[in-house]
Amino acid sequence: KAGVTQTPRYLIKTRGQQVTLSCSPISGHRSVSWYQQTPGQGLQFLFEYFSETQRNKGNFPGRFSGRQFSNSRSEMNVSTLELGDSALYLCASSLDGTVRGSSYNEQFFGPGTRLTVL
Amino acid sequence: GENVEQHPSTLSVQEGDSAVIKCTYSDSASNYFPWYKQELGKGPQLIIDIRSNVGEKKDQRIAVTLNKTAKHFSLHITETQPEDSAVYFCAARSGGRGSYIPTFGRGTSLIVHP
Repeated sequence: KAGVTQTPRYLIKTRGQQVTLSCSPISGHRSVSWYQQTPGQGLQFLFEYFSETQRNKGNFPGRFSGRQFSNSRSEMNVSTLELGDSALYLCASSLDGTVRGSSYNEQFFGPGTRLTVL
Repeated sequence: GENVEQHPSTLSVQEGDSAVIKCTYSDSASNYFPWYKQELGKGPQLIIDIRSNVGEKKDQRIAVTLNKTAKHFSLHITETQPEDSAVYFCAARSGGRGSYIPTFGRGTSLIVHP
């Protein structure tokens, strides 16, 4: 089974621009979560999508947004980029189904997109 | 919300030694505790997890212990090898739909010297 894929792997943007990152979850997984990873703040939760709806949201400004498509693929967008947005953006997918009757859902992470804002 | 503290931030050991990483959490409702290993240039990978109805779990050289009363859990790696060198993250999560987003610790950089 293919793992979580993220594109692009690397991005360089300048302040004020916007960027869109893409995530393809593991086949059959319906939940996609996004995280920002920086040396200073660690892994911080951005938002989670399930069945095309945002189900959970972290404490990030409105410049950070996302969406999920009917095939569970997800995109996140950052508008008006700031220097502090430079980070590794990770996507994680999970099954979140009821097949096993469990609400515990292991998250599988992609390799991330390294965003550098100049 | 949940707060997870992880120590130490850096751990340096000799090959063959044991390594222990400790985490504490604040939310007594948390009932799932995964551990992730992140190698350079890769995303975190789940290596072991433990649920609140279990006190200890072992998988070959890796073990995790949980003390619900004290709200702390630990990762134990025995007979460390250079390929164990990576950043390790602990996390805590409440179960149930809509509330299972994990809170991560800040990570421990484990260095295993050959």
